[in-house]
Amino acid sequence: GAVVSQHPSWVICKSGTSVKIECRSLDFQATTMFWYRQFPKQSLMLMATSNEGSKATYEQGVEKDKFLINHASLTLSTLTVTSAHPEDSSFYICSARRLAGGGGYQETQYFGPGTRLLVL
Amino acid sequence: AQTVTQSQPEMSVQEAETVTLSCTYDTSESDYYLFWYKQPPSRQMILVIRQEAYKQQNATENRFSVNFQKAAKSFSLKISDSQLGDAAMYFCALTGNTPLVFGKGTRLSVIA
Repeated sequence: GAVVSQHPSWVICKSGTSVKIECRSLDFQATTMFWYRQFPKQSLMLMATSNEGSKATYEQGVEKDKFLINHASLTLSTLTVTSAHPEDSSFYICSARRLAGGGGYQETQYFGPGTRLLVL
Repeated sequence: AQTVTQSQPEMSVQEAETVTLSCTYDTSESDYYLFWYKQPPSRQMILVIRQEAYKQQNATENRFSVNFQKAAKSFSLKISDSQLGDAAMYFCALTGNTPLVFGKGTRLSVIA
């Protein structure tokens, strides 16, 4: 159990276009999902915390109008990179934390496989 | 603020040998959880082991075990009988009532 999927796994787009990345918890409900960005050979950098039915909380320095996050249900969160530019090229990872009472480790985050974004 | 420090950027181990990865942390929370995640070349983050701070007993998962020293705020990972598939980046992480805070990672190489 505790599987998180992420789609697409790879995306190449032209500068100025928008890209949507989906994150789904497949076998558990997640009140909270997180979006990270990872540069090569570096640790994960938290971009935002997404709670179902409410606005996302963005980390300092992350542009909320550029990185739109929607957490429409207990199993789905989306990240939209609007008007993407080459500097947005990166590896984006989502994670999901179990709903309390759902069994298993509620404090544990389970990660999706990541999305490689290349903006030309 | 919570911080996690991994002081070993790179480590190597011979196949079948044992290796210990270090992690220290700082938090003002009384209730928190510590994790080790593995990130192989595929970049998928995989949970290796989890420790509740209120538990004195060290967590163990097959060949992986931790040495949790709460007073010293130390949380090291021991990998026994190392295998080629253990080669990866290993991240120590901490959460209280906050998002995970990660260390910078330790790259583990396994030598055949």
